[in-house]
Amino acid sequence: KNEVEQSPQNLTAQEGEFITINCSYSVGISALHWLQQHPGGGIVSLFMLSSGKKKHGRLIATINIQEKHSSLHITASHPRDSAVYICAVESSTLVFGAGTILRVKS
Amino acid sequence: DGGITQSPKYLFRKEGQNVTLSCEQNLNHDAMYWYRQDPGQGLRLIYYSQIVNDFQKGDIAEGYSVSREKKESFPLTVTSAQKNPTAFYLCASTPAGAGELFFGEGSRLTVL
Repeated sequence: KNEVEQSPQNLTAQEGEFITINCSYSVGISALHWLQQHPGGGIVSLFMLSSGKKKHGRLIATINIQEKHSSLHITASHPRDSAVYICAVESSTLVFGAGTILRVKS
Repeated sequence: DGGITQSPKYLFRKEGQNVTLSCEQNLNHDAMYWYRQDPGQGLRLIYYSQIVNDFQKGDIAEGYSVSREKKESFPLTVTSAQKNPTAFYLCASTPAGAGELFFGEGSRLTVL
């Protein structure tokens, strides 16, 4: 079993829809990262959080330490949100999920 | 602008050749990392360095080598001993080994 599991693996949404991507982990962590990888391959950091909730524009990330679970929400989705979203947890090292491929259709 | 620069973006190699991927950062970060990405899998750590002249093996270090002679630079050599080198390679850095991750644009290596 992978230490970091993301769901769904693939997600297709219509423009304007509310999107949720989930991340579950099985190890004790000091922080959790949400990353965005565009088709060209470059990765940018969206959030780093260790408790509660963070918001940046249309993106919201939440974490429940007791349940070992985090969610990334995208409100009013847009085709430019199409990317791979990756969850990574900091324990002794960084462990990455396999990513969720999101496609937003106009 | 501060950031991480990887080169080359695309690289083709014949079997038996060593190749070196460049990673340079001007963020003044202490820690640098090399990851390998294969389709359908999470990023896997090859090597990391927390300080100049010191580096540690990651989960899949076999067939790879690195150096950290300068704080700004962390080149990765893919040697002929790496059995399946075709992959996408990403370099990353963080300040003092923790905190927000910064990634380069990646290098795609194809072995012919």
